[in-house]
Amino acid sequence: GIQVEQSPPDLILQEGANSTLRCNFSDSVNNLQWFHQNPWGQLINLFYIPSGTKQNGRLSATTVATERYSLLYISSSQTTDSGVYFCAVDSRGGGGADGLTFGKGTHLIIQP
Amino acid sequence: EPEVTQTPSHQVTQMGQEVILRCVPISNHLYFYWYRQILGQKVEFLVSFYNNEISEKSEIFDDQFSVERPDGSNFTLKIRSTKLEDSAMYFCASRPGPNTEAFFGQGTRLTVV
Repeated sequence: GIQVEQSPPDLILQEGANSTLRCNFSDSVNNLQWFHQNPWGQLINLFYIPSGTKQNGRLSATTVATERYSLLYISSSQTTDSGVYFCAVDSRGGGGADGLTFGKGTHLIIQP
Repeated sequence: EPEVTQTPSHQVTQMGQEVILRCVPISNHLYFYWYRQILGQKVEFLVSFYNNEISEKSEIFDDQFSVERPDGSNFTLKIRSTKLEDSAMYFCASRPGPNTEAFFGQGTRLTVV
């Protein structure tokens, strides 16, 4: 099956810093999503981005499908940005009902 | 804004007991999923459901597990004879069509003692 690798696994930053999280995947994809898992365990949708670039406030994401990677940018970090960020994909080789394959996540800690 | 709703939010059960986790997907969505996340690990796909039948299931989804859509709104995951290693967060998700954005519920934290 498709492999999803996220880096870095852990990241500690001061409030106000910028960060870039990376997601590499091993095959062509139909769907790529970024999620933020908050301290209560909820998975919050950030971006649905199988290709191209999107922005939402301080967050933006870019997926280069031909090179099989996606980047999540967080600017002017706040303590509420802390948590685990997951990238998840479904393979173009699968059927339309395929479930998502998740990476192991990047654990982000923003210190005041 | 429509959302996927899961109940209960927490459940504690004794080893060997059966549990049913419930989900109400977003109303116009056609594809439904269950995922599992063991504490500190990544989210893992269990099963997908479309047109009143299982579309795909992972190796984790063995005979201990079953899914059902008993009516037009609910989607359930039944775990028979629970084991300690079934302790995890279970997420329900839905999406309107193939290759579209998936939306997740808030999860049910299952603890088997």
